[in-house]
Amino acid sequence: DQQVKQNSPSLSVQEGRISILNCDYTNSMFDYFLWYKKYPAEGPTFLISISSIKDKNEDGRFTVFLNKSAKHLSLHIVPSQPGDSAVYFCAAIYFGNEKLTFGTGTRLTIIP
Amino acid sequence: EAGVTQFPSHSVIEKGQTVTLRCDPISGHDNLYWYRRVMGKEIKFLLHFVKESKQDESGMPNNRFLAERTGGTYSTLKVQPAELEDSGVYFCASTGGGGNTEAFFGQGTRLTVV
Repeated sequence: DQQVKQNSPSLSVQEGRISILNCDYTNSMFDYFLWYKKYPAEGPTFLISISSIKDKNEDGRFTVFLNKSAKHLSLHIVPSQPGDSAVYFCAAIYFGNEKLTFGTGTRLTIIP
Repeated sequence: EAGVTQFPSHSVIEKGQTVTLRCDPISGHDNLYWYRRVMGKEIKFLLHFVKESKQDESGMPNNRFLAERTGGTYSTLKVQPAELEDSGVYFCASTGGGGNTEAFFGQGTRLTVV
């Protein structure tokens, strides 16, 4: 039973345009959500997070939106740059249970 | 400051052999986690140490996997005997606790069982 789902295994976006990566979850206990970015042969690196008490968090070119009623979050990258090409993992966690639950990842390719 | 380091980066072993993976967390991080990613699937939780104690080992696949964290510093994950389905990338992560949920990951150990 996969509690965090990323239904798009891959996404290609033109450089300079907006990249939108989506994530859905089923466990209503999750109260904190994170996005990790992973390059080949490296471990995931933390990108941005959002608490369930918010619906938006912004950090430079990266914005995460949370829609709790739909159990959906998205990561927006604008403008997209070639260095953004990587696999992006959505992850969730809840208070009292510190393990991250990950999605399967979305491979983002930025086309120059 | 050194990040989370894992050794080896890659290991190829035959079915039935034993392999030990090592993780050195960020100095001072009490929380240490092991995760595994199998071929294109999600990164799955294996277990969580707080200092030297196992806080949660609900993700350990079976008793062929043994994790230790003696002295609350580095951790080892031993697979004995290894099976083909154990192949994957094993990630270690650490956090400082106290509400810090942004885990720092090591580069992973790619284990191939043939």
